[in-house]
Amino acid sequence: DADVTQTPRNRITKTGKRIMLECSQTKGHDRMYWYRQDPGLGLRLIYYSFDVKDINKGEISDGYSVSRQAQAKFSLSLESAIPNQTALYFCATSALGTSGTRSTDTQYFGPGTRLTVL
Amino acid sequence: QKEVEQDPGPLSVPEGAIVSLNCTYSNSAFQYFMWYRQYSRKGPELLMYTYSSGNKEDGRFTAQVDKSSKYISLFIRDSQPSDSATYLCAMSAGTGNQFYFGTGTSLTVIP
Repeated sequence: DADVTQTPRNRITKTGKRIMLECSQTKGHDRMYWYRQDPGLGLRLIYYSFDVKDINKGEISDGYSVSRQAQAKFSLSLESAIPNQTALYFCATSALGTSGTRSTDTQYFGPGTRLTVL
Repeated sequence: QKEVEQDPGPLSVPEGAIVSLNCTYSNSAFQYFMWYRQYSRKGPELLMYTYSSGNKEDGRFTAQVDKSSKYISLFIRDSQPSDSATYLCAMSAGTGNQFYFGTGTSLTVIP
């Protein structure tokens, strides 16, 4: 089974609709992230959460909101979708680890949700 | 200026060639450097991870970091068609800091 799952995998919606993308993980990681990926722009951070009570805005949070329902679940909402939110959305998780005496913070990605806003 | 710059390619090489992928960055605070591989319609998967300067080798893959030049590289030896993917570099200043990703380089290895 996949460690990081996202639902739905594909979604087509209309301008003005409310959309929720969900992410679940079985890795036991505390930290979760939402990114969007656009051609030529790469991955851009929308929101991130270091634990259930911690929510932080990323580079491009306008038009989005998130909810961290549990350690394993992190949802992204588009309250009123617009066409320029058409993109590939990825959830990622990470956990503080160690490599020798140094800390690590690598991220693990879900399979993505392809969202199209008409 | 973007934090991380990466040539998007596309890059097309014959099977067996040595591939060199590169990223430059502007933030001297970056300490952790990663390479991700992303197949079409899939999420990025971690390929290599390096701390600070130096080289790291894993099978056919070698990651190099030159902090003095703010330049990182990924070398793929004996490239295979299965290496055809988009390769993203990523870096961060450390624990709890934001990750910054390159835009990705599209690689095709021709049989």
